[in-house]
Order: sequence, then structure tokens, then C-alpha cells
Amino acid sequence: GAGVSQTPSNKVTEKGKYVELRCDPISGHTALYWYRQSLGQGPEFLIYFQGTGAADDSGLPNDRFFAVRPEGSVSTLKIQRTERGDSAVYLCASSKQGFDEQFFGPGTRLTVL
Amino acid sequence: KQEVTQIPAALSVPEGENLVLNCSFTDSAIYNLQWFRQDPGKGLTSLLLIQSSQREQTSGRLNASLDKSSGRSTLYIAASQPGDSATYLCAGATGGYQKVTFGTGTKLQVIP
Repeated sequence: GAGVSQTPSNKVTEKGKYVELRCDPISGHTALYWYRQSLGQGPEFLIYFQGTGAADDSGLPNDRFFAVRPEGSVSTLKIQRTERGDSAVYLCASSKQGFDEQFFGPGTRLTVL
Repeated sequence: KQEVTQIPAALSVPEGENLVLNCSFTDSAIYNLQWFRQDPGKGLTSLLLIQSSQREQTSGRLNASLDKSSGRSTLYIAASQPGDSATYLCAGATGGYQKVTFGTGTKLQVIP
């Protein structure tokens, strides 16, 4: 079956702009996670959804970052007033339920100029 | 706060050699530990998941173990092949919710 997909694969934007990154989880997976990965580092947890609700958003770095999952499937990570330090690969993962095996998408490489 | 460490950061071995990758974590109240591989410019591929009640998991040439009391997990790769060259990451899930902490990875190169 289809895996986790993310769009766009690459996004280049200018400092101060707003961006949206989309994640389509595996069908039927109730848990969805967002991570951010900088070069040479492991992924850093941002937020975890169980169904439509954000069960843990403690990894979001500040209030410029926000994520939604209105129907319990597709999720959108939104970044306002982007800064150069936001440049990274944003990874999405899903699992059947919390604490199950996580399956990752290919990521969105965000570059803020 | 959970901290996950992977040593060594890089490893180069000749083809055919058996090898062990190490992962250490500080919070023994771990729900599960997952091993991934990441190829350059790609996402993560799940290799093995060990639940806290398990001691090890096997898939093909891969065997992962978990020792909660010592805060360690190992990934054993038998008869390494050049196609095994990648970065290997471990990730531990702790806390009341599924909060996962990753190590920084071990970059493996298998030389033909």
C-alpha cells in the first residue's frame, strides 16, 4: 500500500514569508508525528497527533509554528514569519496507534533565504 | 528528559564483517526503541521495533537487543554488504505520550 507522502519535496522561501507543509499518513493510522532534521543531526520531535488532537506539542520551537489535523488524516505544518534558522528537512511519520512502529515520509526540505 | 547517544558516529568495515552499533539512553522508563536507516537525502526506513517487554527482535541479517536496566540497545548486522552503507538511527519513546527522542546516528560504510 501507499506509504507516508509529503508535499512539497522542496520549498524555497524568503525570510518573513509564510509556508505550509503537508503530510498524508498511511491510511488508517491514527497517530501522526512531525520532526525537524538539521544536517548531521537526528530528527527532533515537534508535535504528535492522536486523531485530530495534538497530544503533545512540546517540541514546537515557538509560536510561529503551528500544526493541524482537522479530519484525523492529512496534517499541515504551518510556519509564520519564517527565519533562516528554520531551514531544515521536515519529516512526517505515522503509526497505527501511539507507541507502534513509525513509518516516515521522504521529508520536505525547507530553505529560507 | 530522555537523551539518546550513538557511538561511534562513523564506522567503516570490509564487506562480510559482522558488526554492532550501539545506542544508549538515559531514561529507563522507555516504551519502545526503534532502529532506522537513512540513506543520503532520503527519509527514514524502519528496521526493527523492540517493545519494552521484549529483549530482542530479528529481521533477516539484523538483530536488535534492548536492555532497559543498563540503558542500552544494540543493532547487530551479520555478513555486512555494501548496500548496508547508510546512517543508522535509534529512537526511544518515553513519557505519557508518544514522544520520541532520536540519537544522532552512526554512519556506516561497508567497503567492497
